[in-house]
Amino acid sequence: AQSVTQPDIHITVSEGASLELRCNYSYGATPYLFWYVQSPGQGLQLLLKYFSGDTLVQGIKGFEAEFKRSQSSFNLRKPSVHWSDAAEYFCAVYSGAGSYQLTFGKGTKLSVIP
Amino acid sequence: DGGITQSPKYLFRKEGQNVTLSCEQNLNHDAMYWYRQDPGQGLRLIYYSQIVNDFQKGDIAEGYSVSREKKESFPLTVTSAQKNPTAFYLCASSKSPGEGNTEAFFGQGTRLTVV
Repeated sequence: AQSVTQPDIHITVSEGASLELRCNYSYGATPYLFWYVQSPGQGLQLLLKYFSGDTLVQGIKGFEAEFKRSQSSFNLRKPSVHWSDAAEYFCAVYSGAGSYQLTFGKGTKLSVIP
Repeated sequence: DGGITQSPKYLFRKEGQNVTLSCEQNLNHDAMYWYRQDPGQGLRLIYYSQIVNDFQKGDIAEGYSVSREKKESFPLTVTSAQKNPTAFYLCASSKSPGEGNTEAFFGQGTRLTVV
């Protein structure tokens, strides 16, 4: 069965600093990968997705992520964090191939220090 | 605007009662999903539906039931058999995987509290 691991439960960064959130997945074939963001008490908003092609994908709000097959990773990055980026971030894997199983990691909460 | 609407935003249930959470989408998506979210647990799949009049159990279906009588609607009933129903519930929809690249779109959630 597919699985997603987000090793960091909580990360605190200073405003203007760079950010990297880690995501590792377990799946035999090439998965479909996603990063979502959630503000408190709200639904999830898609930041970016990877299906195929270029392994560096650009998303909304200045985020990017890189798919590394050899490391089974899909880490999320942002060069300069803004206070409004404080939220919880979820990595998800979708096995595709007719499957409807979208599996989420447990999330990483990001705090931003002014 | 197209999207997913969940209602109500907050719901309180007495022990022993069944309650139904509403989820409506106007995105013309075939697939719909219900997730439960607890602090530190991420999102766990309760049920999903690929097409009208068909649905499948997810990882934590016990104590829940669903129906899919219309493409636009996928209500979730939390029954009295669910022993710990207090949680944040999220509904989502997507195109069918067979349609190629697809992603899930989420509603704003319903927070259910047992009183």
